[in-house]
Amino acid sequence: DARVTQTPRHKVTEMGQEVTMRCQPILGHNTVFWYRQTMMQGLELLAYFRNRAPLDDSGMPKDRFSAEMPDATLATLKIQPSEPRDSAVYFCASGSGQGFPLNQPQHFGDGTRLSIL
Amino acid sequence: DQQVKQNSPSLSVQEGRISILNCDYTNSMFDYFLWYKKYPAEGPTFLISISSIKDKNEDGRFTVFLNKSAKHLSLHIVPSQPGDSAVYFCAARRNTGNQFYFGTGTSLTVIP
Repeated sequence: DARVTQTPRHKVTEMGQEVTMRCQPILGHNTVFWYRQTMMQGLELLAYFRNRAPLDDSGMPKDRFSAEMPDATLATLKIQPSEPRDSAVYFCASGSGQGFPLNQPQHFGDGTRLSIL
Repeated sequence: DQQVKQNSPSLSVQEGRISILNCDYTNSMFDYFLWYKKYPAEGPTFLISISSIKDKNEDGRFTVFLNKSAKHLSLHIVPSQPGDSAVYFCAARRNTGNQFYFGTGTSLTVIP
């Protein structure tokens, strides 16, 4: 059963430190999404990629967040410098489908629980 | 600006009864709607979807209803089982993009 894999599952670090979260999408999926889950906003879209190209990152604080796909099997989300308000669960999801827009549901990883002290 | 709203943070239902989870949206350009189920410490998993050309889609115990004029959709679970206890997210997509907008979730507790 194919799964989206996220590492690390948990991360605790001090304010100001760099944080890198990784995601391995399901093999063959051509769209990757990064979400942040908070109590107030639910699941917020931070960025998404199609065929490794960033299509929308308007949900990310540009001054400290960056998202990349070095290759088709790895997506990264970096925060530098991290702040306590970044504490949340970060989910990666991948999807596939012919054409545009995406006609198939996304498959989510189990998330990275990030705590910034 | 929350374009997909789930106004009930929680819901409790007796086992065997019907669970009805509600979702409202504001963007008339949404054409594809989904429900996801999430257990603690896991990612959301896809449950059921509906296209805007339909008003009902059924899969086993789960039925999603769409009322486009009211910009409202609902998920019915019949009969409810203790294993259905989870957080349910409603999501919607515009007909012009791949971005999915999620609600804040409703926590369902099914009481044995």
